[in-house]
Amino acid sequence: KAGVTQTPRYLIKTRGQQVTLSCSPISGHRSVSWYQQTPGQGLQFLFEYFSETQRNKGNFPGRFSGRQFSNSRSEMNVSTLELGDSALYLCASSPLQGEAFFGQGTRLTVV
Amino acid sequence: DQQVKQNSPSLSVQEGRISILNCDYTNSMFDYFLWYKKYPAEGPTFLISISSIKDKNEDGRFTVFLNKSAKHLSLHIVPSQPGDSAVYFCAAGWGSQGNLIFGKGTKLSVKP
Repeated sequence: KAGVTQTPRYLIKTRGQQVTLSCSPISGHRSVSWYQQTPGQGLQFLFEYFSETQRNKGNFPGRFSGRQFSNSRSEMNVSTLELGDSALYLCASSPLQGEAFFGQGTRLTVV
Repeated sequence: DQQVKQNSPSLSVQEGRISILNCDYTNSMFDYFLWYKKYPAEGPTFLISISSIKDKNEDGRFTVFLNKSAKHLSLHIVPSQPGDSAVYFCAAGWGSQGNLIFGKGTKLSVKP
């Protein structure tokens, strides 16, 4: 069974640009969550999608958005990038509540 | 306000000895807890979980203990191996909510 796949693995963007990250969950998993990891802050929850609907949202500004497609694949978008958005962005998929399986992440660097 | 806290940023243990990683939480709504292991530049890997109706769950060298009255859980690794060296995250969730609340992690170093 293929794991969670995130693309791209690495990305460099300049301030003010926008970026789209992609996540393909494990087959059969309908819940996809996104997390931001920065040094010293651990993993912070961005949002969760279930059956194409945003079910939960963390405490991030509106520049961070996402969506989920009918095949459960998900994208997250960050507009007007700031230097502080540099982080490892992790996607996780879950079959039901509980255990989340993570992808390898997308390392975003904003310069 | 941090709902899940890992107060020790790092822990160093000798190979073969026990590693004990601790986690405290504040939200009584949490009804399941998980431990993840993370290597640099990789996503977290699920290790073990425990439901709030249990006080212990064991899987090989890994055991998680839950003390609901103290809102405290711990992960025991016995015996510790150098390959266990990584950052360990405690996470908590509730109901059918898909989001997990993570602690900031504890970096475990197991020395040969």
